[in-house]
Amino acid sequence: LAKTTQPISMDSYEGQEVNITCSHNNIATNDYITWYQQFPSQGPRFIIQGYKTKVTNEVASLFIPADRKSSTLSLPRVSLSDTAVYYCLVVEHTGRRALTFGSGTRLQVQP
Amino acid sequence: DSGVTQTPKHLITATGQRVTLRCSPRSGDLSVYWYQQSLDQGLQFLIQYYNGEERAKGNILERFSAQQFPDLHSELNLSSLELGDSALYFCASSVSGGPANTGELFFGEGSRLTVL
Repeated sequence: LAKTTQPISMDSYEGQEVNITCSHNNIATNDYITWYQQFPSQGPRFIIQGYKTKVTNEVASLFIPADRKSSTLSLPRVSLSDTAVYYCLVVEHTGRRALTFGSGTRLQVQP
Repeated sequence: DSGVTQTPKHLITATGQRVTLRCSPRSGDLSVYWYQQSLDQGLQFLIQYYNGEERAKGNILERFSAQQFPDLHSELNLSSLELGDSALYFCASSVSGGPANTGELFFGEGSRLTVL
């Protein structure tokens, strides 16, 4: 079971790029890396998922090095509304393993 | 709106009581997941169902049980409630959760349970 490690919290300012790194040393061949965002008292929201190299969507980019032991979520030009908790998950492809969330990274964006 | 519906949104009850939380997944989604989130805590995975069958189990207490019905809605039953059971209970659904699992879950707005 691949355990994930993320920073507990990060601070940033509006307009800056934010990079949140997640460590998952025991990631298996069939595992994907997935990131979620959660606002207070709301359910998490899927942001992005990747297997290797780089994935980009309208919200974020996900960088995964060749060894896949870590991944970095990149949020370009954050705004106050990006203040949230960000979770990194390692998802087993066959779906037979529980989707567990770690402690997440609390991002605080200031004006 | 994720398309996942949870009822009730709020529930206040007393210790020792039993409650049932209901979840209707997005249309077409076969998997339902239940999570518990206590105040300022992370999301604790409870259980997953896929097309009516239990798929994965987390640290779900014996006082808690769940099932997924033929119409794919799910219920989480919490009995002999304790103060520590007060939390937000989230339901999520996904298209598969089977061999083509993508890990994209759609969460409901949660049911906030308060045990007094």
